[in-house]
Amino acid sequence: AQSVTQLDSQVPVFEEAPVELRCNYSSSVSVYLFWYVQYPNQGLQLLLKYLSGSTLVKGINGFEAEFNKSQTSFHLRKPSVHISDTAEYFCAVIAGGGTSYGKLTFGQGTILTVHP
Amino acid sequence: GAGVSQTPSNKVTEKGKYVELRCDPISGHTALYWYRQSLGQGPEFLIYFQGTGAADDSGLPNDRFFAVRPEGSVSTLKIQRTERGDSAVYLCASSFAGDYGYTFGSGTRLTVV
Repeated sequence: AQSVTQLDSQVPVFEEAPVELRCNYSSSVSVYLFWYVQYPNQGLQLLLKYLSGSTLVKGINGFEAEFNKSQTSFHLRKPSVHISDTAEYFCAVIAGGGTSYGKLTFGQGTILTVHP
Repeated sequence: GAGVSQTPSNKVTEKGKYVELRCDPISGHTALYWYRQSLGQGPEFLIYFQGTGAADDSGLPNDRFFAVRPEGSVSTLKIQRTERGDSAVYLCASSFAGDYGYTFGSGTRLTVV
């Protein structure tokens, strides 16, 4: 079975500073990787996904993530954050290279708080 | 519709009662998923539909939970004999078959008192 660990439950940062949200996964098979953002009282919105190809993935709102197979990591980064980036961020995995599509396994979430 | 619609947005029910939660997926999306998000946790998979059939219901916690999608569009999650531990936000998502860019609804917040 696969699992996802988000190493920080809360990350405070000042506006215009860079940020990295860390995610590690475990799986005995190949994986697809995702980052979602959840604003208060809203559903999850897909930020970016890694399915194959280039290990550096660019998403919406200026976010990017890098797949590191040897370290089983998929950290999310943004060079300069805005107040509006304050939200909860979830890392997720689908294991099996698509054979188990539909079954996202999520991490516990990281609350990003951007201070003025 | 433009997005995934879930109704009601909030539901308060008494322990032991029966509830139904509805999900209207994006038109044309054949794949539909239900997840449950407890307070302070990431969403957990419940069930996956491809068309009308449940392709994977391994996440349903017990036989009090059941979901249907009779015409391959709208889905209803049904919970019998609700318990306080069922309190959570129930999320629905849809996608085209084989597309991993799922669109989530805003969820139904279920509170069992």
